[in-house]
Amino acid sequence: NAGVTQTPKFQVLKTGQSMTLQCAQDMNHNSMYWYRQDPGMGLRLIYYSASEGTTDKGEVPNGYNVSRLNKREFSLRLESAAPSQTSVYFCASSEVGTGTYEQYFGPGTRLTVT
Amino acid sequence: LAKTTQPISMDSYEGQEVNITCSHNNIATNDYITWYQQFPSQGPRFIIQGYKTKVTNEVASLFIPADRKSSTLSLPRVSLSDTAVYYCLVGALSGYSTLTFGKGTMLLVSP
Repeated sequence: NAGVTQTPKFQVLKTGQSMTLQCAQDMNHNSMYWYRQDPGMGLRLIYYSASEGTTDKGEVPNGYNVSRLNKREFSLRLESAAPSQTSVYFCASSEVGTGTYEQYFGPGTRLTVT
Repeated sequence: LAKTTQPISMDSYEGQEVNITCSHNNIATNDYITWYQQFPSQGPRFIIQGYKTKVTNEVASLFIPADRKSSTLSLPRVSLSDTAVYYCLVGALSGYSTLTFGKGTMLLVSP
């Protein structure tokens, strides 16, 4: 049981390049999330998927797109990377109706845009 | 989501009890209080959650007064490995839950 996995762990992009961050969970959770964390800051929600087939914008969605490929996988795409998108990206998942607010986080992807 | 306020940093020594207080004056009736812990270079990890009075698990205790406008996370006998950032979050439990993280409290435990 790996929990939430993310690939890659590290990535360096040049301004204008595109890339997709991958996230998968093996806990059969319905809901999945993408956050970014800038130095010295808390996490900010980019996009979330309440259930398979649905996605919604979070607090900072500009410059990103997401795809909920199936129940397990939720990807985040940067179409044209900008230096302001240099950050650590965390994927998380949670279960509906468990009575807790617990989200399970992946190890993160550290992205640098030059 | 209700706004939370917590200290930016706290210092402690090994073996001491640490209490981190979070203020959430605008908490709504159906809001729960949840605490997460984050180590450097890792994602946050759920610690504890409560609605009122006291909740205890194997890691921590959470104290919530009757007016629910604040809460206190209590870590008994901390060790060096408890050095981390602790986030207080307030929100309703629903079919899915979007979390709002503040800057958290950086707890530094020294020998």
